Amino acid sequence: EPEVTQTPSHQVTQMGQEVILRCVPISNHLYFYWYRQILGQKVEFLVSFYNNEISEKSEIFDDQFSVERPDGSNFTLKIRSTKLEDSAMYFCASSYRGNDSPLHFGNGTRLTVT
Amino acid sequence: GQQLNQSPQSMFIQEGEDVSMNCTSSSIFNTWLWYKQDPGEGPVLLIALYKAGELTSNGRLTAQFGITRKDSFLNISASIPSDVGIYFCAGHSGGYQKVTFGTGTKLQVIP
Repeated sequence: EPEVTQTPSHQVTQMGQEVILRCVPISNHLYFYWYRQILGQKVEFLVSFYNNEISEKSEIFDDQFSVERPDGSNFTLKIRSTKLEDSAMYFCASSYRGNDSPLHFGNGTRLTVT
Repeated sequence: GQQLNQSPQSMFIQEGEDVSMNCTSSSIFNTWLWYKQDPGEGPVLLIALYKAGELTSNGRLTAQFGITRKDSFLNISASIPSDVGIYFCAGHSGGYQKVTFGTGTKLQVIP
């Protein structure tokens, strides 16, 4: 079965540094997402992306965050200047189409900011 | 914003027992989803519900989309040790597919 793949599985970075988290969504999917899960808490929506633009974003997704689909297969999340509170699991997800299409998640990138 | 509350927060059950967990919302959702998350992994889709009143099964799992579109339940029959994990409900409210996750139910199965 096709999978969403994320790299790296674990990223350690110093406060203030830029990080880029990478995702390869399922190939025929059209909608892409980033979610975040702080340890022990629920999964929180960050941003959705469709037709090469952000379609919706949460209040968490401030100016420090950006997303990009640089080519036909990758989908990236960039955090410009990391803060300690950015430490979390970051999950990429994709879905095929509109409202009747469930999200499929990758296994996440654990980001640790020191 | 929209919130989904799950109950119970956690449960310990004996292997072989049936399990039931609920999810409620103050908002209407168009689609309800149930996911399972194992430690260190991403959520894995278990069941998707698309119509109010819909009852759907996937092996030992059964879930229902409430008539009011504000709640859903998930039942697991004859639990086994590999059912251990955190179960999240999630709702689609339409638009660009933003999915809101519930607070999670942590399930522990005692062999």
